Amino acid sequence: DIQMTQSPSSLSASVGDRVTITCRASQSIDNFLNWYQQKPGKAPNLLIYAASSLQSGVPSKFSGSGSGTDFTLTISSLQPEDFATYYCQQSYSSPWTFGQGTKVEIK
Amino acid sequence: QVQLVQSGTEVKKPGASVKVSCKASGYSFTIYGISWVRQAPGQGLEWMGWISAYNTNTNYAQKLQGRVTMTTDTSTSTAYMELRSLRSDDTAVYYCARVSRYCSSTTCFDYWGQGTLVTVSS
Repeated sequence: DIQMTQSPSSLSASVGDRVTITCRASQSIDNFLNWYQQKPGKAPNLLIYAASSLQSGVPSKFSGSGSGTDFTLTISSLQPEDFATYYCQQSYSSPWTFGQGTKVEIK
Repeated sequence: QVQLVQSGTEVKKPGASVKVSCKASGYSFTIYGISWVRQAPGQGLEWMGWISAYNTNTNYAQKLQGRVTMTTDTSTSTAYMELRSLRSDDTAVYYCARVSRYCSSTTCFDYWGQGTLVTVSS
């Protein structure tokens, strides 16, 4: 199975900060990497697919990059509605594994 | 608009089975697949498997092989996930998600159901 490791597991940031979350795959997954946002009590929501493509309707403050084993999700200017948990997920090979999540909290 | 609407909360005893439904609307059901993902209380997301609504091919997570069955009913655009021999550590919120192969030639989960809480307790 491909292991997905996110860092950090949690972070505290202020409104307006630029935030970067990292996801590392245990083997190359090309660009088969998706990012999801989950707010408490809600279903996950797709933000980025294929490592860097913005899902329709998602604000452009979210961006993704990377290929192979190392990927990043960046939020350019953190807003109150962005405080949530973020998950990466690989769809390169079954099982389609998720990272453990990164919780973004208010400083 | 695309919607996935799941069945309601379930409470089961250890050893029992549960069957969760996921009714799709707003798109052509057989063009996409349905994946199931669960989340234990306070934990992360765990992929359980997926089913093609086109040809009913399935792919299950190895740890659930033998206990899980995913099916579809194209006449009602509904997907089902049955989990048997329930244990306390199966307590979780279960989500269905649409599997899209049109994510720049990769695969992504572009729409999600609202989640179904399954509690396993004696």
